[in-house]
Amino acid sequence: DVKVTQSSRYLVKRTGEKVFLECVQDMDHENMFWYRQDPGLGLRLIYFSYDVKMKEKGDIPEGYSVSREKKERFSLILESASTNQTSMYLCASSLGLGREDYNEQFFGPGTRLTVL
Amino acid sequence: GESVGLHLPTLSVQEGDNSIINCAYSNSASDYFIWYKQESGKGPQFIIDIRSNMDKRQGQRVTVLLNKTVKHLSLQIAATQPGDSAVYFCAESSNSGYSTLTFGKGTMLLVSP
Repeated sequence: DVKVTQSSRYLVKRTGEKVFLECVQDMDHENMFWYRQDPGLGLRLIYFSYDVKMKEKGDIPEGYSVSREKKERFSLILESASTNQTSMYLCASSLGLGREDYNEQFFGPGTRLTVL
Repeated sequence: GESVGLHLPTLSVQEGDNSIINCAYSNSASDYFIWYKQESGKGPQFIIDIRSNMDKRQGQRVTVLLNKTVKHLSLQIAATQPGDSAVYFCAESSNSGYSTLTFGKGTMLLVSP
């Protein structure tokens, strides 16, 4: 089974802090994704990566950056956390383009971040 | 931009009933659709998917119907159980670009014993 793990289930940070959210997948997937989930808004794509050291902006990249130094690991970085970044953050991974079932994304359990 | 949406934010059913969750999409270029289930405190889990060359696909107790004419997707759950209580999301994708998914806002399914 595909396993996507996230470094923390719950995280509390203060405004202005630099925050790192880590995600690791163990199925050699090419694509990795970061979403945030807010009530009434569903899942919104922040950034994604289709290969090591590659990144693409999603729908709401402002205030975030990402890093993918290794294929299995995708990090989301909040350079200076703000209260409006309090949310549930979900990481996902999927196979690369052209491979069977490349659309299906496998999700981690999520990190609930609170910024005070 | 174009988006995926849902008709009903909350659906309440009795155990044993059949449930139908609906989803409207607006991107006519979408050719892949997927349903996820998200239980409280967990990440979304895959339920079933369908490609645009099909209009129906069945899984274990679940069926997805796709009507491309009216851009409508539905998830049918047979003999709904309390364990089916969760938020259900539909998502769409197209073969262009990087196969990203666009998610709807979700429907809460509440199953009463």
